[in-house]
Amino acid sequence: QLQESGPGLVKPAETLSLTCTVSGGSISGHHWSWFRQPPGKGLEYFGYIYSDGSTDYNPSLKSRVTMSVDTSKNQISLKLSSVTAADTAVYYCARFYSTWGYFDLWGRGTLVTVSS
Amino acid sequence: DIVMTQSPLSLPVTPGEPASISCRSSQSLLHSDGYIYLDWYLQKPGQSPQLLIYLNSNRASGVPDRFSGSGSGTNLTLKISRVEAEDFGVYYCMQGLRTPYTFGQGTKLEIK
Repeated sequence: QLQESGPGLVKPAETLSLTCTVSGGSISGHHWSWFRQPPGKGLEYFGYIYSDGSTDYNPSLKSRVTMSVDTSKNQISLKLSSVTAADTAVYYCARFYSTWGYFDLWGRGTLVTVSS
Repeated sequence: DIVMTQSPLSLPVTPGEPASISCRSSQSLLHSDGYIYLDWYLQKPGQSPQLLIYLNSNRASGVPDRFSGSGSGTNLTLKISRVEAEDFGVYYCMQGLRTPYTFGQGTKLEIK
């Protein structure tokens, strides 16, 4: 199972920080991704991180995104800098099965609101 | 980026009737390995997306056989042979061929 956690409210211009805790299995040997979904809208892909720490970010967000992995805690993290109201969304983490290009496990998501 | 376009965006269906959702990609999703890297996900209200179909036509574990995926490199289709109450929600196609992975806008399957 995957569980996202982090502040539900972030101020404009600050950095959004979220953690995804993986339980019932190991982070090692897998790719992990972040997505977001603004209220009433579709899904946006942030990129992926492999368990060795290598990353591939969506170019549209690359300048503001940092992903990291902590294998000792079985966690992956997302940081999104310089947030605005447009970053208000439900944020999801998911496991990526890279061989066949699909996301087979998803967290329940966490709502982050950007507001002063 | 590969642009994914779904139609229709809203699909009212009577339970027991069939349903079909179209997904078009701006580039062929056919890989040199012969597979089409197209997935279908269902998002029920208040839930995260769940994988239904991968590689265009392979049902994920536990997905009923009333769901089927088909199509060529750029024109893909999800079909439900007989819609059941648990099938209502928003369906997304997603290309897994090339990063950044991209989704269609979503098709809302609604009760008619």
